[in-house]
Amino acid sequence: DAKTTQPTSMDCAEGRAANLPCNHSTISGNEYVYWYRQIHSQGPQYIIHGLKNNETNEMASLIITEDRKSSTLILPHATLRDTAVYYCIVRVFNDYKLSFGAGTTVTVRA
Amino acid sequence: GAVVSQHPSWVICKSGTSVKIECRSLDFQATTMFWYRQFPKQSLMLMATSNEGSKATYEQGVEKDKFLINHASLTLSTLTVTSAHPEDSSFYICSATNLAGGLDTQYFGPGTRLTVL
Repeated sequence: DAKTTQPTSMDCAEGRAANLPCNHSTISGNEYVYWYRQIHSQGPQYIIHGLKNNETNEMASLIITEDRKSSTLILPHATLRDTAVYYCIVRVFNDYKLSFGAGTTVTVRA
Repeated sequence: GAVVSQHPSWVICKSGTSVKIECRSLDFQATTMFWYRQFPKQSLMLMATSNEGSKATYEQGVEKDKFLINHASLTLSTLTVTSAHPEDSSFYICSATNLAGGLDTQYFGPGTRLTVL
């Protein structure tokens, strides 16, 4: 699977949008971009995934660049409960395995 | 939907004893389950993959005789840590999926904190 690069940490203000970047310059045509988050001492939570089109669900939006070499996860109105480690993972759709990197530690401040 | 539970949520045991952790898919049939381990301030590391009714596939460096995995039904997988030692103390997390059944990703349990004294 292609590797991803994420910032180590970022702060954001409660109520504001949080934009989390992810680089995946070696992504292949059959690889999807997945986002998970892990709140402290809990199991990871699936957020969203996409192939090439932008995606939105009740939790977040995923913006994938046209060349697919990077993406941005957007939390539209960050709350204190969004404080977590966010993982950007690239994988082939029919390959179950997920390879977790270090992720981005997001701290939402009041 | 796609809820996964783990039991127990935490366990403390003496060195040399065995500990069993259960992972259940509550509202779907899990054809494939995964077991991860996470040490403090580190990311998740995949230990093994199990398909229902088959032997588990272990990642390189994971001792299959120490970490026994059973996936005997479509809703239950168990991880038994045999002869546990303090270095086995960790956060163990399972996940489950069913691609053929329409689930397009893994869904994770809440984790089990194991402390070996």
